[in-house]
Amino acid sequence: DIQMTQSPSSLSASVGDRVTITCRASQSISNYLNWYQQKPGKAPKLLIYAASSLQSGVPSGFSGSGSGTDFTLTISSLQPEDFATYYCQQSHSSPPTFGQGTKVEIK
Amino acid sequence: QVQLQESGPGLVKPSDTLSLTCAVSGYSISSNNWWGWIRQPPGKELEWIGYIYYSGSTYYNPSLKSRVTMSVDTSKNQFSLKLSSVTAMDTAVYYCARKRDSGSYDYWGQGTLVTVSS
Repeated sequence: DIQMTQSPSSLSASVGDRVTITCRASQSISNYLNWYQQKPGKAPKLLIYAASSLQSGVPSGFSGSGSGTDFTLTISSLQPEDFATYYCQQSHSSPPTFGQGTKVEIK
Repeated sequence: QVQLQESGPGLVKPSDTLSLTCAVSGYSISSNNWWGWIRQPPGKELEWIGYIYYSGSTYYNPSLKSRVTMSVDTSKNQFSLKLSSVTAMDTAVYYCARKRDSGSYDYWGQGTLVTVSS
C-alpha cells in the first residue's frame, strides 16, 4: 500500500494567516492526489482533486500543488470556517489511502 | 442535488455481521460512477473499504477482502455493505460516497457510527 504522510499533524493559526499543509507519498503517484476538509461530526468534504483542481463550490482561497511524491494544500487567508482537519488521499494505486490528517486550530 | 444516506444497526455483537445500506437520491446509481464505503475509527484516519459499480463489479481493500461483501440494488437506487466476523477493531463511523473518475469522492453520506460490543 502507498503510505501518505502529512505534516504538520496540527497547527495553530490566526484568521487571515496563510496556511500550508504538506502531504508526501511513499512512492510516485503522479497527480492522483485529493484533499478533503472534515469538521467534527461531519463527513469529509472534497476540496481539491487531481492535485490542483478546485472542486465546484469550494472558495478560491484553497489551492493545491505538487506532483510525484510531494504535495501541498494552501489556504491563502484563513477564515473562521476553515478551522477543521484536512486529509490527503492518493487515488493512483489500489487500495486508495489517506493521510493521518492535519488539524488546523485557532491561535 | 445528489444525496446519500446510510442506514443500519448502530450496535453489532462481536463475531456477528455488520450490515449497512446506502440510499442514493437525486442521481441514478446506474450512471457511470462507482460507489464506495469508507470508515473512520473514533479519532483516527479514514480507511477505504471498497467500491461497487451498478453492474455488481467490486473492488475491496485487501486488508478486509476476506470479510467484505458489497451489493447493489438498482431498483431501489441503493447499495449495501456486509462485514463479517466483526471485532471491536471494526468500531467506526461508516460512510458511503460517490467516486469520480479522478478517484476522489465528491458526495458523501452523513456517516453512521457502528459500535461492536457485547
